[in-house]
Amino acid sequence: AQSVTQLGSHVSVSEGALVLLRCNYSSSVPPYLFWYVQYPNQGLQLLLKYTSAATLVKGINGFEAEFKKSETSFHLTKPSAHMSDAAEYFCAVSDIRAGTALIFGKGTTLSVSS
Amino acid sequence: GAVVSQHPSWVICKSGTSVKIECRSLDFQATTMFWYRQFPKQSLMLMATSNEGSKATYEQGVEKDKFLINHASLTLSTLTVTSAHPEDSSFYICSARDQRARLAYEQYFGPGTRLTVT
Repeated sequence: AQSVTQLGSHVSVSEGALVLLRCNYSSSVPPYLFWYVQYPNQGLQLLLKYTSAATLVKGINGFEAEFKKSETSFHLTKPSAHMSDAAEYFCAVSDIRAGTALIFGKGTTLSVSS
Repeated sequence: GAVVSQHPSWVICKSGTSVKIECRSLDFQATTMFWYRQFPKQSLMLMATSNEGSKATYEQGVEKDKFLINHASLTLSTLTVTSAHPEDSSFYICSARDQRARLAYEQYFGPGTRLTVT
């Protein structure tokens, strides 16, 4: 069975500071990994995904994540936080078999202060 | 890009009534759609997998007689919450997989439906 663990349910940073949101996965087969962002009362927006190509994945809004198989991690980073980055972030895993659903982590709330 | 819509975007119903939520793939055909539920301040939990023309597969703990799923066409799946109760109040989100997709990760999410049962 697959699962993801997001360390830290709430992360607070200052505007301009580094953002680091942690995600560790468990999977018995090669995984696909995703980061989504959700703003209040809205749906999910895909930030980036790892699909077994490059281990360093660049996404939208300046976010990137690195797949580290040895650490079973897929942490999300952004060099400089912006106020508009304040939202809920979800890490998700899927396996490579066609037609499988995404399994989501519990989410991390990112707060950005001025 | 691939677009998935949900209707309605929000609905309020009285306890004991039923409500239907639609999930449509607007510019692609979806052989598989997924239904998720998200309670306030919580993550998305997979409820069921819906395959066109066949019965849905429900996750453990999800009542199939309460949450009726119909995937009658390649562009439409519906979730009907029967005899709704206040504890069914939640944010329901669907996702759809493009039939032409070669890769399993090509799934697209709808904007969600907020259900409030009074």
